Amino acid sequence: SQQGEEDPQALSIQEGENATMNCSYKTSINNLQWYRQNSGRGLVHLILIRSNEREKHSGRLRVTLDTSKKSSSLLITASRAADTASYFCASTGNQFYFGTGTSLTVIP
Amino acid sequence: GAVVSQHPSWVICKSGTSVKIECRSLDFQATTMFWYRQFPKQSLMLMATSNEGSKATYEQGVEKDKFLINHASLTLSTLTVTSAHPEDSSFYICSAREGGGMNEQFFGPGTRLTVL
Repeated sequence: SQQGEEDPQALSIQEGENATMNCSYKTSINNLQWYRQNSGRGLVHLILIRSNEREKHSGRLRVTLDTSKKSSSLLITASRAADTASYFCASTGNQFYFGTGTSLTVIP
Repeated sequence: GAVVSQHPSWVICKSGTSVKIECRSLDFQATTMFWYRQFPKQSLMLMATSNEGSKATYEQGVEKDKFLINHASLTLSTLTVTSAHPEDSSFYICSAREGGGMNEQFFGPGTRLTVL
């Protein structure tokens, strides 16, 4: 399969809490990217972390990358109801291969 | 960021007909375009990669005669689903990239295809 895997598959939290999603991938990468998708809509790029980086921040987002374990995590701090969406990681070599996604529900 | 559009945003067709979906990069030259399909509550699966002026490279298991891809210009790629059947109903998303593999891909908003 070309897909990596993400866990959890579904996550439900209260507004204000932090949400952590994990992603594992299969092949060597140039970079890893995280995307968000609202139901039935296209993808929105969130953040890119290069293979020689270990951690990156963007606003309420924090991404880590462990190339030895072929894994990445996305942390959303102080979650809001508007963060409710599906989140995908995508590992980039010559092509993109998406993870299976985490469905996040933030309860107001 | 750069903008990628898709047309149509949704289409309903009868079984056996062909459907063409367009993907355009609006403010940059897309040397490479990618086509994905997504079934409900599932992830995106890469179908094919196309470089401008070249034949598309299809992922394993994707029928190239059924999913015809044309990337005739640096701003336009088309995906034609030939002789569509209900099992082809899906969400089709394209993305476009300028230059090499380290560059960011920009995604279109997707096209919802329903085959009756």
